[in-house]
Amino acid sequence: DTEVTQTPKHLVMGMTNKKSLKCEQHMGHRAMYWYKQKAKKPPELMFVYSYEKLSINESVPSRFSPECPNSSLLNLHLHALQPEDSALYLCASSREQGVKTQYFGPGTRLLVL
Amino acid sequence: QQPVQSPQAVILREGEDAVINCSSSKALYSVHWYRQKHGEAPVFLMILLKGGEQKGHEKISASFNEKKQQSSLYLTASQLSYSGTYFCGTFYQTGANNLFFGTGTRLTVIP
Repeated sequence: DTEVTQTPKHLVMGMTNKKSLKCEQHMGHRAMYWYKQKAKKPPELMFVYSYEKLSINESVPSRFSPECPNSSLLNLHLHALQPEDSALYLCASSREQGVKTQYFGPGTRLLVL
Repeated sequence: QQPVQSPQAVILREGEDAVINCSSSKALYSVHWYRQKHGEAPVFLMILLKGGEQKGHEKISASFNEKKQQSSLYLTASQLSYSGTYFCGTFYQTGANNLFFGTGTRLTVIP
């Protein structure tokens, strides 16, 4: 089973709202990732967690706050977002960080009004 | 640092062949190929780890030329289900331990 699940599938929020995106995998993977993808563009890496510790933060604004409560779960907390943050947010996991196959979830399509 | 893919877009009739190229300005350690259908997650196709390595997946295969810092994806006898955007993803031999996605190639197969 190579399934990564994400909830919600769609999210509409105002600029003053606080919301969270959730990602889950049960493959025993120890690396989890958040990517942001704008229309017709490749995914851009935001954060990497390795063994539940933040390994990489690609200079993401503080209005995005990741959290890894355990080895199967990854959250992305959103607060005071801007309209330009509207995008598809993809979660991925791999056996370990590094040159390992990453498996992607279906994504959360976020619209910020 | 983003690899560049060519062509940007291609339209094929069923049964035709296509080649998608991925070029890097930095030395590559590995190349990963993904296909993403509209509104869906990228789906892993294959990974190439060694220079000169070729791999196949049904009628989709790929090669990796380490010296030229290039990879090519070959789609033969295309099917309607092959439509989507293809991304190469690269790990570099030096620098950040991240997967960098290429610019993407939109492939459309028509009957």
